[in-house]
Amino acid sequence: SQQGEEDPQALSIQEGENATMNCSYKTSINNLQWYRQNSGRGLVHLILIRSNEREKHSGRLRVTLDTSKKSSSLLITASRAADTASYFCAPRMDSSYKLIFGSGTRLLVRP
Amino acid sequence: DARVTQTPRDKVTEMGQEVTMRCQPILGHNTVFWYRQTMMQGLELLAYFRNRAPLDDSGMPKDRFSAEMPDATLATLKIQPSEPRDSAVYFCASGQQGWTEAFFGQGTRLTVV
Repeated sequence: SQQGEEDPQALSIQEGENATMNCSYKTSINNLQWYRQNSGRGLVHLILIRSNEREKHSGRLRVTLDTSKKSSSLLITASRAADTASYFCAPRMDSSYKLIFGSGTRLLVRP
Repeated sequence: DARVTQTPRDKVTEMGQEVTMRCQPILGHNTVFWYRQTMMQGLELLAYFRNRAPLDDSGMPKDRFSAEMPDATLATLKIQPSEPRDSAVYFCASGQQGWTEAFFGQGTRLTVV
């Protein structure tokens, strides 16, 4: 299967805490992307990490990639109530234009 | 501000009626995706196009669904006849050729009664 599997399914934290979400996949990839979906809205791209990168930062986001374990993690530091959303990973394969998603991680940041 | 535009935003229709959803991809993007999202099934890829040609529509029920790109600025998803189980939010997304990110529209919320 080409899609990533996010873990945990749901996560509830206090504002100011860090949130870590994980993604596992099964085949070789060209890159892996993370998206956020606020309730009732379309997905928004957050960050892309290429297969030859191990770590990438964007503002309060930190993404790691371990191709040997076929896994990635998304860390949101100093979380805010506005970070409440569902987060999806999307592994992009070598020879496909497909972009498919797993069930996502539902993050709740309590004020 | 470039964005993917979907119309209508909301659609309520009776079972058996034809439904057409439209998507205007971002200018210059040559890859278009159609997704359906429900609580039970999550986000399902229905079909995707590259340079207006369908690459894969295996996720789409063939007997009632059809997807087309009449031109580079318009993608359509039709359901005929519609059924209550088609009730969902349908998203269109577009991207540039290659491995870069996709940009999503705001979705069409379809309710079939």
